[in-house]
Amino acid sequence: DAGVIQSPRHEVTEMGQEVTLRCKPISGHDYLFWYRQTMMRGLELLIYFNNNVPIDDSGMPEDRFSAKMPNASFSTLKIQPSEPRDSAVYFCASSYRGTYGYTFGSGTRLTVV
Amino acid sequence: AQSVTQPDIHITVSEGASLELRCNYSYGATPYLFWYVQSPGQGLQLLLKYFSGDTLVQGIKGFEAEFKRSQSSFNLRKPSVHWSDAAEYFCAVVGSGNTGKLIFGQGTTLQVKP
Repeated sequence: DAGVIQSPRHEVTEMGQEVTLRCKPISGHDYLFWYRQTMMRGLELLIYFNNNVPIDDSGMPEDRFSAKMPNASFSTLKIQPSEPRDSAVYFCASSYRGTYGYTFGSGTRLTVV
Repeated sequence: AQSVTQPDIHITVSEGASLELRCNYSYGATPYLFWYVQSPGQGLQLLLKYFSGDTLVQGIKGFEAEFKRSQSSFNLRKPSVHWSDAAEYFCAVVGSGNTGKLIFGQGTTLQVKP
């Protein structure tokens, strides 16, 4: 298995632009998680899905953030409009049945200038 | 609320020395506990996990961890550290209702001196 695949690896965008991050979970995994990592706040859970359904989005910082999972093999995290304070590394992770530990992707390093 | 505390933000050890990274959790029921490692610029890799049974669990890369319910701890150990072990280490617990929502500690950065 190729693991959790995230794209792009790096993204530099200007303030106000729309940013879309993509994630392909491991086949057969039924949970998908989006995390954000910064020096100041560490790892923050933004949202997670079970069987493509959003379960908990309480970590989404603002309405500028949205996430979708149209099918079991694809998810997106969108920021519109982006702001400099959104600069961080965004990780996607997937899990089977939730309790067996996550497999993380390599992350997307987002820089908003 | 469930929480994980890693008391040491930064630890430095000499290569070949033993290592112990501390982790304390707060959880009402039997927790599912994990240790992850993150190398610079990389994602998080699962080192080991505890669900039940033997309280001493073995992981990859020569790491082990011991679950101590009485102390609410799940400390990570390695008998002899290698320079390649320099990384950030995260302890995590599955949250309430075992929903799969992992709660992470703030991480411990390990530096290895030659």
